[in-house]
Amino acid sequence: GAVVSQHPSRVICKSGTSVKIECRSLDFQATTMFWYRQFPKQSLMLMATSNEGSKATYEQGVEKDKFLINHASLTLSTLTVTSAHPEDSSFYICSARDMGQRTYEQYFGPGTRLTVT
Amino acid sequence: ILNVEQSPQSLHVQEGDSTNFTCSFPSSNFYALHWYRWETAKSPEALFVMTLNGDEKKKGRISATLNTKEGYSYLYIKGSQPEDSATYLCAFPDYGGSQGNLIFGKGTKLSVKP
Repeated sequence: GAVVSQHPSRVICKSGTSVKIECRSLDFQATTMFWYRQFPKQSLMLMATSNEGSKATYEQGVEKDKFLINHASLTLSTLTVTSAHPEDSSFYICSARDMGQRTYEQYFGPGTRLTVT
Repeated sequence: ILNVEQSPQSLHVQEGDSTNFTCSFPSSNFYALHWYRWETAKSPEALFVMTLNGDEKKKGRISATLNTKEGYSYLYIKGSQPEDSATYLCAFPDYGGSQGNLIFGKGTKLSVKP
């Protein structure tokens, strides 16, 4: 149980284009999903918290117009990197919180490697 | 700002060696500490959620201990195998954050040579 899928696993796009990444909880409902970014040799950094049916909460320094998050259902959140630039190249990973767990446990997708040329 | 520190950053051991690494976290206002194993090209996998001071949890050859008073947790691997090669992350709930996000350490990358 508690499987989270993420698609695509790898994407290469040209500068100026937009890329959408999907995160799905496959066997549980997730009212809250998290989007992280990892820079080389750094820890997972929280970008935003995605809430079903409401606006995402962005961490300080993360541009909400650049990283659009939509949590349209209890099993799907999407992250769209708009007008991508080479500095947006990174590893993006989502997680979903099982609201039945009281210890903040999160289940992760496998991540998306974005390369902007 | 909460800080979660892990050491060492990387570790190379031979198959059969036992090893351990450390996660340090703020000792005040403790609620839970999470350990994850992250193999290349896979999703981070939850290993343990530790909540009580003095807790010791075990999963096969991997075990973890918790000291909430001094703010550290150890992860032990007995008789390391190549399949144990992964990055081990610890994480601490961010009470100032929204709806239960975790703050992660940078991880310890373990490589086990056959």
